[in-house]
Amino acid sequence: ELKVEQNPLFLSMQEGKNYTIYCNYSTTSDRLYWYRQDPGKSLESLFVLLSNGAVKQEGRLMASLDTKARLSTLHITAAVHDLSATYFCAVGGNTNAGKSTFGDGTTLTVKP
Amino acid sequence: DAGVIQSPRHEVTEMGQEVTLRCKPISGHNSLFWYRQTMMRGLELLIYFNNNVPIDDSGMPEDRFSAKMPNASFSTLKIQPSEPRDSAVYFCASSWTVSGANVLTFGAGSRLTVL
Repeated sequence: ELKVEQNPLFLSMQEGKNYTIYCNYSTTSDRLYWYRQDPGKSLESLFVLLSNGAVKQEGRLMASLDTKARLSTLHITAAVHDLSATYFCAVGGNTNAGKSTFGDGTTLTVKP
Repeated sequence: DAGVIQSPRHEVTEMGQEVTLRCKPISGHNSLFWYRQTMMRGLELLIYFNNNVPIDDSGMPEDRFSAKMPNASFSTLKIQPSEPRDSAVYFCASSWTVSGANVLTFGAGSRLTVL
């Protein structure tokens, strides 16, 4: 059974600071997704990482994938309040087309 | 495209009543997923369909839950009878495979409260 672990689960940081969220998974996969959920809202796709060494960047967020270490990171640069949300990583299985297993999410609060 | 459309957005019902949640996926998407989200359990996959066929229903909590997808543009999740522990936000999501990726597009969710 594929297990996906995110850490930390809760992160409070000040504006302007940098931090990294980690996503570890238990079985081989080269499909890794990051989603964002604002409070009371639905989830929306942020990044799709499909190969070892893949790196994607959007604004102050950068995601990377190391399939050998079974690790993805979401790096936040110079955080701003608008980044406050819950971030989920999800790992696509190799046998069940379309099925993704989600981590528990990291709730990020950026304080002024 | 209007995205994934779910109804109702909010439902308050009494224990023992039947609840039906509805979902219209994005046209052209061939996979549909039902998730449940609670504070205690996080985001749980209940069931997913591929080309209207149920592929994995191992996440369905018990026989009180059932899901159908009679055609490519409609799916229902039914709870009968409902219980207070079923209170949650239920998300429907759809996707299609592009270059090996299956990015989910989520609906706005149906918030269910069972009294």
